[in-house]
Amino acid sequence: VQLVESGGGSVQPGGSLRLSCAASGFTFSSYWMHWVRQAPGKGLVWVSHIDTDGSTTNYADSVKGRFTISRDNAENTLYLQMSSLRAEDTAVYYCARDEGSGTYYSWFDPWGQGTLVTVSS
Amino acid sequence: DIQMTQSPSSLSASVGDRVTITCRAGQSISTYLNWYQQKAGKAPKLLIYAASNLQSGVPSKITGSGSGTNFTLTISSLQPEDFATYYCQQNYRTPYSFGQGTKLDI
Repeated sequence: VQLVESGGGSVQPGGSLRLSCAASGFTFSSYWMHWVRQAPGKGLVWVSHIDTDGSTTNYADSVKGRFTISRDNAENTLYLQMSSLRAEDTAVYYCARDEGSGTYYSWFDPWGQGTLVTVSS
Repeated sequence: DIQMTQSPSSLSASVGDRVTITCRAGQSISTYLNWYQQKAGKAPKLLIYAASNLQSGVPSKITGSGSGTNFTLTISSLQPEDFATYYCQQNYRTPYSFGQGTKLDI
């Protein structure tokens, strides 16, 4: 079971970036998926989640209207399209599988290794 | 949004010690509470889900308890690999908020 993020990098304020999370070793289409971010030296912040077929999504208020989560179950890949980026979006972005999918609970395991997004002029 | 508050924010202990970290929710969250361990430069690792359930592969010296608004994570017989930052997280309602973290060091 593995998750591998990619797509991070440096971008100017107001710019866009798309993160990818490639899943392997499990039936990707059976699990809800999440994005969580961590600013340098700070704590963990939940960003967004998506259900198994992409019909239900949810976002933190801080990214609502700017970020879009999506998935391609045929390609076993999760995405986070980020636009109108701000300096405060600078963080390591992790994708995580919701191992509680199908229950009333939600718990994240495993996590990817993270990809760094830096928003700076 | 549900506020999660951990205490202490930092904790010094010795190898062999037993430590307890507390997490308080801003409202009742039943047992919708997870615990994660994060080492420097690494992704978080799930320890406990649904307040008291030990994730597969996690040693039994780690225990979680609580319900409602008050939760604890206890680690017995500390070993060098246990020194890390620990986070609680509620999954009662989105946004799935985390505590600010508890840094456990030697």
